[in-house]
Amino acid sequence: GAGVSQSPRYKVAKRGQDVALRCDPISGHVSLFWYQQALGQGPEFLTYFQNEAQLDKSGLPSDRFFAERPEGSVSTLKIQRTQQEDSAVYLCASTSSGYQPQHFGDGTRLSIL
Amino acid sequence: RKEVEQDPGPFNVPEGATVAFNCTYSNSASQSFFWYRQDCRKEPKLLMSVYSSGNEDGRFTAQLNRASQYISLLIRDSKLSDSATYLCVVNPANTGFQKLVFGTGTRLLVSP
Repeated sequence: GAGVSQSPRYKVAKRGQDVALRCDPISGHVSLFWYQQALGQGPEFLTYFQNEAQLDKSGLPSDRFFAERPEGSVSTLKIQRTQQEDSAVYLCASTSSGYQPQHFGDGTRLSIL
Repeated sequence: RKEVEQDPGPFNVPEGATVAFNCTYSNSASQSFFWYRQDCRKEPKLLMSVYSSGNEDGRFTAQLNRASQYISLLIRDSKLSDSATYLCVVNPANTGFQKLVFGTGTRLLVSP
């Protein structure tokens, strides 16, 4: 489809494992965002890319969280040594420029046991 | 104090009713304002932007009061399909991109 695609849709991991979440933005969209949405809360900003440059990572909750977008299209959010508090839906959004409306993917629902 | 605050609800209304949601934001320098809609286990979708002059899109009317740092959404003639969570969203500063700050959402349930 033409929308933002995220995979996997669901991920279950044991505490301490590393996970990698993938985002395929809409083709041609230069801006890409990651958000974390805990149960019963609104999404919270994690990080922002413009093409391959990570311009803002102020929302990443700890140094266990790492995001990359090496070729300016697909992005990966990696969480190392997962903890139970990392359980949430991770949403990716893209837009054609910084101030255009953000289009969200369906999210990856991460559960840490 | 949260940067964007809204009543979590739920608001239970019958079909055809008019319902209003309110939201306050703490950063007076905030640049732009939106309402997003999120269905259960789905992604947020932009419902409408909010302008100081107020704006309307069909049955939906949004208002912004910068002096009171207050945003509202009015839904007229509610439909069953309006049942969802409505997220108040603010872009708090001139960062060069939309660094969106979301409220917790207000849940609306429209019943027959």
